[in-house]
Amino acid sequence: AQSVTQPDIHITVSEGASLELRCNYSYGATPYLFWYVQSPGQGLQLLLKYFSGDTLVQGIKGFEAEFKRSQSSFNLRKPSVHWSDAAEYFCAVGDPGGYQKVTFGTGTKLQVIP
Amino acid sequence: DTGVSQDPRHKITKRGQNVTFRCDPISEHNRLYWYRQTLGQGPEFLTYFQNEAQLEKSRLLSDRFSAERPKGSFSTLEIQRTEQGDSAMYLCASSGNRGLVTEAFFGQGTRLTVV
Repeated sequence: AQSVTQPDIHITVSEGASLELRCNYSYGATPYLFWYVQSPGQGLQLLLKYFSGDTLVQGIKGFEAEFKRSQSSFNLRKPSVHWSDAAEYFCAVGDPGGYQKVTFGTGTKLQVIP
Repeated sequence: DTGVSQDPRHKITKRGQNVTFRCDPISEHNRLYWYRQTLGQGPEFLTYFQNEAQLEKSRLLSDRFSAERPKGSFSTLEIQRTEQGDSAMYLCASSGNRGLVTEAFFGQGTRLTVV
């Protein structure tokens, strides 16, 4: 069964600093990979996705993620964090052979300090 | 297109009561999913519809839970005899099936509180 691990429950960064959120997945082949963001009390917004091709994917709001097959990782990065980026971030893995049901990690809550 | 819409946004109910939530997916999407999210956790898959057919149900979906999508458009999720452990955010998502590559779009969720 597919699974996702987000080892960092909570991260605090200063505004303007760089950010990297870690994600490791378990899947038998190359999965579909996603990063979603959730603001308090809100639904999930897709930041970016990886299906195939270039392993560095660009998303919305200046985020990017790199798929590393050898490490089973799909870490999310942003070069300069803004206060509005404070939210919870979820990595997710989907089954290419199925109907795109996704399995989510437990999330990383990002706090941005001035 | 206004995206995936869920109603109500919030529901407070007494233990033992029945509740029903509605999800309106993006109009051209034939795939619809329900997820449940408890505090501090990621969303967990509950059930999946392709058109009007319910093709998968998670073991999380006890006998008290039932979901329908009668005409392949909107969907309802009903919880009978609610328990305090049912308190959670219930998220609906939809996706299309043009080719194999697509992603799910989520609604804003229905937050259920059972008192």
